Amino acid sequence: DTEVTQTPKHLVMGMTNKKSLKCEQHMGHRAMYWYKQKAKKPPELMFVYSYEKLSINESVPSRFSPECPNSSLLNLHLHALQPEDSALYLCASSKEGGVQYFGPGTRLLVL
Amino acid sequence: GENVEQHPSTLSVQEGDSAVIKCTYSDSASNYFPWYKQELGKRPQLIIDIRSNVGEKKDQRIAVTLNKTAKHFSLHITETQPEDSAVYFCAASIGYGNKLVFGAGTILRVKS
Repeated sequence: DTEVTQTPKHLVMGMTNKKSLKCEQHMGHRAMYWYKQKAKKPPELMFVYSYEKLSINESVPSRFSPECPNSSLLNLHLHALQPEDSALYLCASSKEGGVQYFGPGTRLLVL
Repeated sequence: GENVEQHPSTLSVQEGDSAVIKCTYSDSASNYFPWYKQELGKRPQLIIDIRSNVGEKKDQRIAVTLNKTAKHFSLHITETQPEDSAVYFCAASIGYGNKLVFGAGTILRVKS
């Protein structure tokens, strides 16, 4: 399996909801990432996990909570989001120091 | 921290012509420079990358050049085709490449 998969593809949530985004890879990569991408903008790094430990948090608000249950899975838990958090959320994975491969993304709309 | 500037923001070329996109980075410690192509509604996909120990790399119609002294790198696409139309992002990272900083992107339109 040479792809990064993400679920769901689309998500609509209210500001009081709790939801989770999921990402999976079976390429044996030990680094996994969450990015946020707004329309017509580049991906913005949010979190990096290296060997299942959080190694980078780009000062992301606590309403976003990442989790790496094992080396193949990465979750992003969402709670009390704001409308401005609506965006495409991309997951990526890589070998340490290697090429980052992106998943198809979850398009999130916060109402 | 690292800052990457990318130009032009939009580029229109005639099919068959060449396209060049340029990026400048700020941190001389950056040593890994990938280029991603993102079609509308799709994921970013790596098209070529280069490390700082190499000055140029080519893959069929695509090439990347790196000038470490001037801290800039460029993407060259020859014999452009309509399917090359997309947004192209350059990026730079330091060390083992886990933290990529992206340029703002270039919208490439190839007119047939």
